[in-house]
Amino acid sequence: AQKITQTQPGMFVQEKEAVTLDCTYDTSDQSYGLFWYKQPSSGEMIFLIYQGSYDEQNATEGRYSLNFQKARKSANLVISASQLGDSAMYFCAMRDSNNNAGNMLTFGGGTRLMVKP
Amino acid sequence: DVKVTQSSRYLVKRTGEKVFLECVQDMDHENMFWYRQDPGLGLRLIYFSYDVKMKEKGDIPEGYSVSREKKERFSLILESASTNQTSMYLCASSPWASGSTYNEQFFGPGTRLTVL
Repeated sequence: AQKITQTQPGMFVQEKEAVTLDCTYDTSDQSYGLFWYKQPSSGEMIFLIYQGSYDEQNATEGRYSLNFQKARKSANLVISASQLGDSAMYFCAMRDSNNNAGNMLTFGGGTRLMVKP
Repeated sequence: DVKVTQSSRYLVKRTGEKVFLECVQDMDHENMFWYRQDPGLGLRLIYFSYDVKMKEKGDIPEGYSVSREKKERFSLILESASTNQTSMYLCASSPWASGSTYNEQFFGPGTRLTVL
């Protein structure tokens, strides 16, 4: 079974509006970490934000925030005030104790976000 | 400025050729990874290494091998390239973090490999 699911292959958002990218995960561990990466058309993967399973507060980094709902096993990325430069692929990833050795991450299939001017 | 570099951005090879993809990191990281990225499938782990000369299979190791003779360098080898290995290949590194779930991976720019 897929451990990380991103159900939105592609999304449009109007510039300056907020957008939510969905991510659900599957793990039996109590201790795990969730990551979001951005991949522009140039190809490099850019780390955006991290949420630990024991963190009580939702993570925030500038215009990025993570809507973490532990009971529902979801970790949605919220981008506020979208900018044209936010157009990219976005990947959700998880590290749990099943792949603790070597710090392996399991990635979702990605969501392509397109920001309209 | 931390850096992961890959030997080529674009590579075109013929079926049956032996292909080497090189990755170098300058952050003294213990862990290094090779992924392939295909549309709709995200990133899938091919192999990773947590120390020099140590390697572990990822989710899709078939048709690939790796080499890590020095801490900073991790090579991916396609012994006999096939058309279904046409893909984007991404290398990443991270420090060792036993007992912690937090450890971002730093990625290289990727190599887009086409096998004809």
